[in-house]
Amino acid sequence: NAGVTQTPKFRILKIGQSMTLQCTQDMNHNYMYWYRQDPGMGLKLIYYSVGAGITDKGEVPNGYNVSRSTTEDFPLRLELAAPSQTSVYFCASTYGGGQGLYYTFGSGTRLTVV
Amino acid sequence: DQQVKQNSPSLSVQEGRISILNCDYTNSMFDYFLWYKKYPAEGPTFLISISSIKDKNEDGRFTVFLNKSAKHLSLHIVPSQPGDSAVYFCAARAPPPTDSWGKLQFGAGTQVVVTP
Repeated sequence: NAGVTQTPKFRILKIGQSMTLQCTQDMNHNYMYWYRQDPGMGLKLIYYSVGAGITDKGEVPNGYNVSRSTTEDFPLRLELAAPSQTSVYFCASTYGGGQGLYYTFGSGTRLTVV
Repeated sequence: DQQVKQNSPSLSVQEGRISILNCDYTNSMFDYFLWYKKYPAEGPTFLISISSIKDKNEDGRFTVFLNKSAKHLSLHIVPSQPGDSAVYFCAARAPPPTDSWGKLQFGAGTQVVVTP
């Protein structure tokens, strides 16, 4: 019963480098989300997906890209990392519809850009 | 534009006493409100929710109160226990078609510390 799995847990990037944050879920949830948590700012939505092949921007999409080729996986790509992307990133999933309130979150990826 | 606001970043309470966490919102179209709890190095987990048609929902030691006229909700934890020490996020949803996919919006969180 893995739930939502995020890798890596920690990463240090140099300015201008790129990386992919991995997220996979085994609950057959159709909705998936990427959030970032900055101190005192709560959870800000970066991108979301309502099914394989369907993605859309959230509040803070600049500097990020996503893809959803399968129900299970929703990777987040950072191109040209900047210090402003230093944050904790959470992936979440839910069934959507009437059950769409109850998100299952991964344990997060702590990213530092130096 | 922050539609869900938690104005108290931290709260310290003695074990056995009541913890009261507050949350204000600006969007009158929100139809569900939720509280999530987060421990260090873990993702948030769902705690309790309330529909906008109710004014109270109780689950064990946790009770959420909703005051729609004031656009305010609160979470009461009675009695508080050391294991309740965590960050608590208030969240809200605007239903379709207001928000096409009914995404949750989160507040900034309140760090609760329960002392022995």
